[in-house]
Amino acid sequence: GQNIDQPTEMTATEGAIVQINCTYQTSGFNGLFWYQQHAGEAPTFLSYNVLDGLEEKGRFSSFLSRSKGYSYLLLKELQMKDSASYLCAVTRSGAGSYQLTFGKGTKLSVIP
Amino acid sequence: GAVVSQHPSRVICKSGTSVKIECRSLDFQATTMFWYRQFPKQSLMLMATSNEGSKATYEQGVEKDKFLINHASLTLSTLTVTSAHPEDSSFYICSARSNPGLAGNGEQYFGPGTRLTVT
Repeated sequence: GQNIDQPTEMTATEGAIVQINCTYQTSGFNGLFWYQQHAGEAPTFLSYNVLDGLEEKGRFSSFLSRSKGYSYLLLKELQMKDSASYLCAVTRSGAGSYQLTFGKGTKLSVIP
Repeated sequence: GAVVSQHPSRVICKSGTSVKIECRSLDFQATTMFWYRQFPKQSLMLMATSNEGSKATYEQGVEKDKFLINHASLTLSTLTVTSAHPEDSSFYICSARSNPGLAGNGEQYFGPGTRLTVT
């Protein structure tokens, strides 16, 4: 089976930096995605990690440690519009390798 | 690029009726399409995976006779909720996978979702 854990909720201040952690346990791990989802809308792609290390993309960065089953999403210079749920999702190698298994998501509230 | 549309965005139907939801990839050919369901404050749960021209693969616990999936072309998949009941009320989201995609691993692009309410 698969198990993906994320904090349920986080609050951060506009302009600050926030780190959202994700731990996973899955056989045949292939890669990890981060998606952003605003309430009532579909998820939008943020990042993809398959190798260990940090991937930086503007204000967002994502880190992966395969040996530790751990990832984080780092959001810098927070803006009010960053208030959303952030979903961690993993894919597995082999049959069904493009299926995404999602964590429950972390609801981020950015306050002034 | 990589836009996925869903229709309708919202639908209200009476218990016992059937509802069809369409998912289209607008500017790319989707090798695979996925259907998810999301209940309030819950994560997306994969219902089924469909490849063009073949039968859909359903996840454990999802009734294939209740949730009919037709993937007639590389740009269109439909989900029909048959004999809908109030417990089927949920947010249904489709996604389409391109190959290889911007991230190089055929990441999924999501439609805007369909809010189904069964009364």
